[in-house]
Amino acid sequence: QSVLTQPPSVSAAPGQKVTISCSGSSSNIGNNYVSWYQQLPGAAPKLLIYDNNKRPSGIPDRFSGSKSGTSATLGITGLQTGDEADYYCGTWDSSLSAGVFGGGTKLTVL
Amino acid sequence: QVQLVESGGGLVKPGGSLRVSCAASGFTFSDYYMTWIRQAPGKGLQWVSSISTSGSTIYYADSVKGRFTISRDNAKNSLYLQMNSLRAEDTALYYCARQIAGGVDIWGQGTMVTVSS
Repeated sequence: QSVLTQPPSVSAAPGQKVTISCSGSSSNIGNNYVSWYQQLPGAAPKLLIYDNNKRPSGIPDRFSGSKSGTSATLGITGLQTGDEADYYCGTWDSSLSAGVFGGGTKLTVL
Repeated sequence: QVQLVESGGGLVKPGGSLRVSCAASGFTFSDYYMTWIRQAPGKGLQWVSSISTSGSTIYYADSVKGRFTISRDNAKNSLYLQMNSLRAEDTALYYCARQIAGGVDIWGQGTMVTVSS
């Protein structure tokens, strides 16, 4: 059971927009930065979003992040077949003094 | 270029020990917190442990506390994870990762640890 809750799967057509939610509590998302990771099949995870809404160099602006209270959201616009992957949210939990991840969301681009 | 390369994984019996290592290059290793994250086959990401720049501050997941020890050698640009009293549920791909304030920005390719008799 993950500390952060994500939907197991989402799907959308190419060119469309999708959002992936990540729900937590005041000890984690509510008081710490959220990051998002993309894991393509057979590859290591890659940082997509850090500090809730910042994109590392090289990440296209089709990817966006937001946070409100104890929840965070990853948005992907202009979906491409190459975006099919597992997506994870992560943050620090101040009560646990530990890093925490969501269970992951599998994105299917139909 | 910025790179993390893990090594030392393998097959170990339950109750056994193993040390995995991570060699960093392309950045000033001593400026960054470092983290181990693991992924069991077909499962999600699980944070394992983090260590501060000097090694003076260390955090562990409850599931490994008392069994695993994280350490670093800044002179050798290396990160280590000593794993003792290994269990079947420790079987996973272990990633070495560079920690920034709001996330993990660089990941290695991982080293596989299999605990089985």
